[in-house]
Amino acid sequence: GQQLNQSPQSMFIQEGEDVSMNCTSSSIFNTWLWYKQDPGEGPVLLIALYKAGELTSNGRLTAQFGITRKDSFLNISASIPSDVGIYFCAGQVTNDYKLSFGAGTTVTVRA
Amino acid sequence: DAGVIQSPRHEVTEMGQEVTLRCKLISGHNSLFWYRQTMMRGLELLIYFNNNVPIDDSGMPEDRFSAKMPNASFSTLKIQPSEPRDSAVYFCASSPQGLGKNIQYFGAGTRLSVL
Repeated sequence: GQQLNQSPQSMFIQEGEDVSMNCTSSSIFNTWLWYKQDPGEGPVLLIALYKAGELTSNGRLTAQFGITRKDSFLNISASIPSDVGIYFCAGQVTNDYKLSFGAGTTVTVRA
Repeated sequence: DAGVIQSPRHEVTEMGQEVTLRCKLISGHNSLFWYRQTMMRGLELLIYFNNNVPIDDSGMPEDRFSAKMPNASFSTLKIQPSEPRDSAVYFCASSPQGLGKNIQYFGAGTRLSVL
């Protein structure tokens, strides 16, 4: 699959802070997905985006599908300790089964 | 509803031994993906099945790795003989269809350590 650049690689945040991370690609995707992986578990889907410009929320999480189709952003508002984990973006081209994954953003929350 | 179920959760074996990892798909899903996750390489797709048929096995590292779907709800990934460099977390994921707006749902993974 295509390479995705996910940033930042890691972040330490204070409880209550807002968090932002993003993914960029040199190729166009038709679907962007954001997963979270807790320690010792598999990735769990947080948000799926299917249309350029789409802004979707899931509780304190908000993700956007970039207008160029080459990027996506995930925001976490008012972070809490259970937000700790690794967040992965993934892109998919229509009619292709493959997901291209970013390397992940590791989030650690200071209480 | 039960999600993707993988077993065992942890496997420790010695180099040269055969290892079999198991995966039960979510009911109604017909696509199955095996991934390997390491710190160095992240998530790598090993093989993809659709309707029990292997469609893409280009990610399988070498002939020591094999995967099967004996029925629509179950898959195995076998490593024979195992080597220390096979140590990783192996995930399977299932999806309701092969194409389109089809989310992949991951199991909890099998952490394999080959000594």
